[in-house]
Amino acid sequence: DAGITQSPRHKVTETGTPVTLRCHQTENHRYMYWYRQDPGHGLRLIHYSYGVKDTDKGEVSDGYSVSRSKTEDFLLTLESATSSQTSVYFCAIKFSEVYNEQFFGPGTRLTVL
Amino acid sequence: AQTVTQSQPEMSVQEAETVTLSCTYDTSESNYYLFWYKQPPSRQMILVIRQEAYKQQNATENRFSVNFQKAAKSFSLKISDSQLGDTAMYFCAFMGMGFGNEKLTFGTGTRLTIIP
Repeated sequence: DAGITQSPRHKVTETGTPVTLRCHQTENHRYMYWYRQDPGHGLRLIHYSYGVKDTDKGEVSDGYSVSRSKTEDFLLTLESATSSQTSVYFCAIKFSEVYNEQFFGPGTRLTVL
Repeated sequence: AQTVTQSQPEMSVQEAETVTLSCTYDTSESNYYLFWYKQPPSRQMILVIRQEAYKQQNATENRFSVNFQKAAKSFSLKISDSQLGDTAMYFCAFMGMGFGNEKLTFGTGTRLTIIP
């Protein structure tokens, strides 16, 4: 599992509340990613980070922000959750700088009521 | 922007048979990486196989092999001697090379069921 943990693993929240998901890695990888998985869409990139305080947007970044103050932690924040953000969220790290392989965390199921 | 298409939403095959999952992609880049990921019911995303576009030789990992046709932009996955544990969603993914391109674009997946 490349030492990737996500917390919480499940969360139910109400529309309009802020939510923060945490991704933690133990192996000092430079690149970290947040994806969401929805039926019929596969996985889509939300944001990614290529170093401490270095982040960039993915294809579905609206409504999300990220922060990376330490190499090992990459936080995803929904400032004001909406029902359309109900999804499974995956964190990933780029395990190999040579072959660009990404390894994934176990996922967080978020339900926004 | 790159796109990845998996045209088979669902497939099923008898245990021990061979099955091929299709994937096509669209890109203007000449160097890139292609991947197949497996997602069993546990939801964990597992890397199955990787192919570098600059390599003509098709990648192989035990019972899993790919047929990479660069000109046709096709990247199919063949599973030989299928096993019950191969039952999963399979996703094809594309990654470009160079700074700013280190992100995966996924297809919508193929749900594969291995029948005992």
